[in-house]
Amino acid sequence: AQSVTQLDSQVPVFEEAPVELRCNYSSSVSVYLFWYVQYPNQGLQLLLKYLSGSTLVKGINGFEAEFNKSQTSFHLRKPSVHISDTAEYFCAVSGDTGGFKTIFGAGTRLFVKA
Amino acid sequence: DADVTQTPRNRITKTGKRIMLECSQTKGHDRMYWYRQDPGLGLRLIYYSFDVKDINKGEISDGYSVSRQAQAKFSLSLESAIPNQTALYFCATSEGRTVTDTQYFGPGTRLTVL
Repeated sequence: AQSVTQLDSQVPVFEEAPVELRCNYSSSVSVYLFWYVQYPNQGLQLLLKYLSGSTLVKGINGFEAEFNKSQTSFHLRKPSVHISDTAEYFCAVSGDTGGFKTIFGAGTRLFVKA
Repeated sequence: DADVTQTPRNRITKTGKRIMLECSQTKGHDRMYWYRQDPGLGLRLIYYSFDVKDINKGEISDGYSVSRQAQAKFSLSLESAIPNQTALYFCATSEGRTVTDTQYFGPGTRLTVL
């Protein structure tokens, strides 16, 4: 079975500071990993995804994530955040389990302060 | 115009009432999904559909039913609403038939069952 754990429910940070949102997963099969962002009163949209190849994945809005197989992690980072990055971020995992299944984490609320 | 639309955006209903949430998409995607979002639990899959003739239960389908009227339309029904179905409901689509595909979300329907 697959699962996703987002280690922080809320992350407050000052504008222009770096941020890391942590995600750990468990899976017995090859995994595909995603980060989605949900801005207030909107649906989720894809930030980035890891399918294979380079473990450092670059996404939209200056975000990047690194797939670490040995630590089963897929942490999201941004070197300098803006007020507009205030949102909820969801890590998700899917895999070749023979059927469709994407598991979402509980979400991390990023709050960027001026 | 939005690619994935949901109606209504907000709904308050009473216990025991039948309610339908509707989703339409203009992306031309075959796959459509219904999720519910609860604070601290992330998104959980209710039903998904590969095409008009293929509908599958997700992890929390009890108390819900769906109808895929056309490629572009996927409706979620609560036959007899109960208070613990109060949640934010999202419809989503994806283009392909693999677990690596990006999902595109509607803006959500906030449902309150009194």
